[in-house]
Amino acid sequence: DAGVTQSPTHLIKTRGQHVTLRCSPISGHKSVSWYQQVLGQGPQFIFQYYEKEERGRGNFPDRFSARQFPNYSSELNVNALLLGDSALYLCASSLGGATEAFFGQGTRLTVV
Amino acid sequence: GQNIDQPTEMTATEGAIVQINCTYQTSGFNGLFWYQQHAGEAPTFLSYNVLDGLEEKGRFSSFLSRSKGYSYLLLKELQMKDSASYLCAGLMNTGFQKLVFGTGTRLLVSP
Repeated sequence: DAGVTQSPTHLIKTRGQHVTLRCSPISGHKSVSWYQQVLGQGPQFIFQYYEKEERGRGNFPDRFSARQFPNYSSELNVNALLLGDSALYLCASSLGGATEAFFGQGTRLTVV
Repeated sequence: GQNIDQPTEMTATEGAIVQINCTYQTSGFNGLFWYQQHAGEAPTFLSYNVLDGLEEKGRFSSFLSRSKGYSYLLLKELQMKDSASYLCAGLMNTGFQKLVFGTGTRLLVSP
């Protein structure tokens, strides 16, 4: 069985640009959560989606948005990129909520 | 707030036992996860404690005391490959469930 897959694995963008990160959850998992992990810190919660509905949002600006598709895959969008958005973006899937969440390998975003 | 506190860094020698502590504010937490994260990689699940007590899984054990807001991860018979960051995460329920992570403890295992 495939685990959580994220694409791309690495990405370099310039300030002001827009980025879209993608995540495919484990088959049968209906919940997807997004986390941002800055170097040397623990992951910070950004969004959670369940059955295509946003269930929760962390303390991130409106430049961050996300959606979940009928097949339960998800996209994270970030507009007007700042240098401080450079981080590892992690997607986690679970059957529901955050219980026993399984993480993808992450997308390493570098903003220059 | 939802503070999770754990030591920044620990060192130990191969074959030894190490205990990584984690303290958290008790309000709103429904359980405690431990994840292992090697540099540049995604966190991998180690354990989940929802009830008080010790959960043993091979060389790794995890303990939880909900009344004290305290957990620890115990690693026995340390191996070089155990060098990694260990993340303590509380399962927070505020209408939906999310993980609140500590900053992680970087463990360095030396020969």
